[in-house]
Amino acid sequence: QSALTQPASVSGSPGQSITISCTGTSSDIGGYNYVSWYQQHPGKAPKLMIYDVTNRPSGLSNRFSGSKSGNTASLTISGLQAEDEADYYCSSYTSSSTRVVFGGGTKLTVL
Amino acid sequence: EVQLLESGGGLVQPGGSLRLSCAASGFTFNTYAMNWVRQAPGEGLEWVSSISGAGGTTHYADSVRGRFTISRDNSKNTLYLQMNSLRVDDTAIYYCAKDFRTSGSFPTLTHWGQGTLVTVSS
Repeated sequence: QSALTQPASVSGSPGQSITISCTGTSSDIGGYNYVSWYQQHPGKAPKLMIYDVTNRPSGLSNRFSGSKSGNTASLTISGLQAEDEADYYCSSYTSSSTRVVFGGGTKLTVL
Repeated sequence: EVQLLESGGGLVQPGGSLRLSCAASGFTFNTYAMNWVRQAPGEGLEWVSSISGAGGTTHYADSVRGRFTISRDNSKNTLYLQMNSLRVDDTAIYYCAKDFRTSGSFPTLTHWGQGTLVTVSS
């Protein structure tokens, strides 16, 4: 069982917006602003999409945005495109000895 | 362009050892912390270990602490992961990942290699 809780799947139609949630505790998401989001297409390496809760890497589309409220972080993708169909993982620094925790991943389907 | 190329994966028996390498290029290697992250077949991501840019500070996941050792050779722009006392549940694709920061204390993985498969089986 993953330390961070994500929905197993979400879906949306092209052009729509979707939000993926990631719930942790005060020892990880709630206590620190070190939340990241990664996109992974089948058979490919993950790609960083959001870091430090709200920041986008240089060159990344502004259709992707991140936020946090309490112990829950969220990734919002606006203007859905077919190429956005992938697995998305959240991660956070944790004060526990294991230091970094991931969510179990969310499969995004673009209908 | 940042490039990370892992090598050293393969089939090993339970209790055995393996050393993974990651050759880095396209950035000032000693300026950034580096990480190992693994993904079991069909499963999610699991952070394994990090090392600071200078190599003086290391961190490990509870699941590998005491069995795995991360190191780096900044003169060769290469990251290593020595894996001992391997178990069946260590079977995974192992990714090398460049950190956003120098310290490695708050792992944020900006660039990833394509991974190398480690299979632990008798």
